[in-house]
Amino acid sequence: EVQLVESGGGLVQPGGSLRLSCAASGFTFSSYWMSWVRQAPGKGLEWVANIKQDGSEKYYVDSVKGRFTISRDNAKNSLYLQMNSLRAEDTAVYYCASILIAPLDYWGQGTLVTVSS
Amino acid sequence: QSVLTQPPSASGTPGQRVTISCSGSSSNIGSNYVYWYQQLPGTAPKLLIYRNNQRPSGVPDRFSGSKSGTSASLAISGLRSEDEADYYCAAWDDSLSAFYVFGTGTKVTVL
Repeated sequence: EVQLVESGGGLVQPGGSLRLSCAASGFTFSSYWMSWVRQAPGKGLEWVANIKQDGSEKYYVDSVKGRFTISRDNAKNSLYLQMNSLRAEDTAVYYCASILIAPLDYWGQGTLVTVSS
Repeated sequence: QSVLTQPPSASGTPGQRVTISCSGSSSNIGSNYVYWYQQLPGTAPKLLIYRNNQRPSGVPDRFSGSKSGTSASLAISGLRSEDEADYYCAAWDDSLSAFYVFGTGTKVTVL
């Protein structure tokens, strides 16, 4: 059974940093692209970033380019999102999702990031 | 901001058929597959339809997807109370600003 479990969310001040983690199990993590998606409170879904199996290709939505970095550790079956220079508009539930048979076919439960002073 | 446009709401009585539209452009729906996600209240989204009209294992055949040109639609037949949720369409986008784009979302209410 595919399982994705996010952690690392919390309250951070504007301009601060946070690192999200996603522990994957139930599939061969190193064989698949992975993604981060976010959802601001009461709003819709927004794709944030994708990373290739070996980490050699990474893609970001314009609003986070230069501030967020997606990475992975295949030995630890883990996905990460390093978030720097955080803004109030980054406040959201962040989901880790897989791309096995289709984009975002399995999702974690999400972790809440709140950017506020 | 969402690139794909959906109606904010749709509703029906149990047993009815409800259809949700999704409008995009040549850089997304017009040249790529469409995907649909269901988000039940307080839970993470779930993949409902992939590659325009394919259902993952476990998704009832009451859910069906279609695509024509730069638009797509999701149909729910035999509406049930447990179908009350938010539904999002999505597609890869060939433009430089985003890799994968979502629709604005549609809240389905079972009356």
